[in-house]
Amino acid sequence: DIQMTQSPSSLSASVGDRVTITCRASQSISSYLNWYQQKPGKAPKLLIYAASSLQNGVPSRFSGSGSGTDFTLTISSLQPEDFATYYCQQSYSTLMYTFGQGTKLEIK
Amino acid sequence: EVQLVESGGGLVQPGGSLRLSCGASGFTFSTYWMHWVRQAPGKGLVWVSRINSDGTSTTYADSVKGRFTISRDNAKNTLYMQLNSLRAEDTAVYYCARPQNSGSYYYWGQGTLVTVSS
Repeated sequence: DIQMTQSPSSLSASVGDRVTITCRASQSISSYLNWYQQKPGKAPKLLIYAASSLQNGVPSRFSGSGSGTDFTLTISSLQPEDFATYYCQQSYSTLMYTFGQGTKLEIK
Repeated sequence: EVQLVESGGGLVQPGGSLRLSCGASGFTFSTYWMHWVRQAPGKGLVWVSRINSDGTSTTYADSVKGRFTISRDNAKNTLYMQLNSLRAEDTAVYYCARPQNSGSYYYWGQGTLVTVSS
């Protein structure tokens, strides 16, 4: 099974900060890496698919990069609505998708 | 407009059973693979199971293998998950989700809460 490890597990930042979250796969997953944002009580929202493609309607301050085993999600200038929990997910293995454990982004 | 609507959650005793449903509309259900994802209270997202478009191929997370069964009725545009031998650790919100070509989930249901407790 492919394991996904996110870091950090939590992060405090201020409005306007640049923030980076990393995700590492236990084996190469090419670019089959997706990023989600989740707010309390809501279903996750897709931000980035295929490692670096911005989902329609998602603000351009969100970006993704990486391939193989190491990936990053960057928020260029944090806005108040960005404080949430972020998850990576691999879709390389069609038998079994897996998520990272999540990164909770809190207001400093 | 694509919609996924889960139902069937509730309170069940350990060892009990429950069947979850996910009604789909706004797209040709029979041409898409479908997945279940769950989230325990205060915890992260966990992939549970997937089924191919015609229902002939299924896979499961190790934690539910042998206890949960995913199925679908393409004539009714409905996805199911039969949950048997339920344990306290199965307590979670269960989401159905439709993957895109990239494997990412753009469409999610609103979730249905399953609580396993005596």
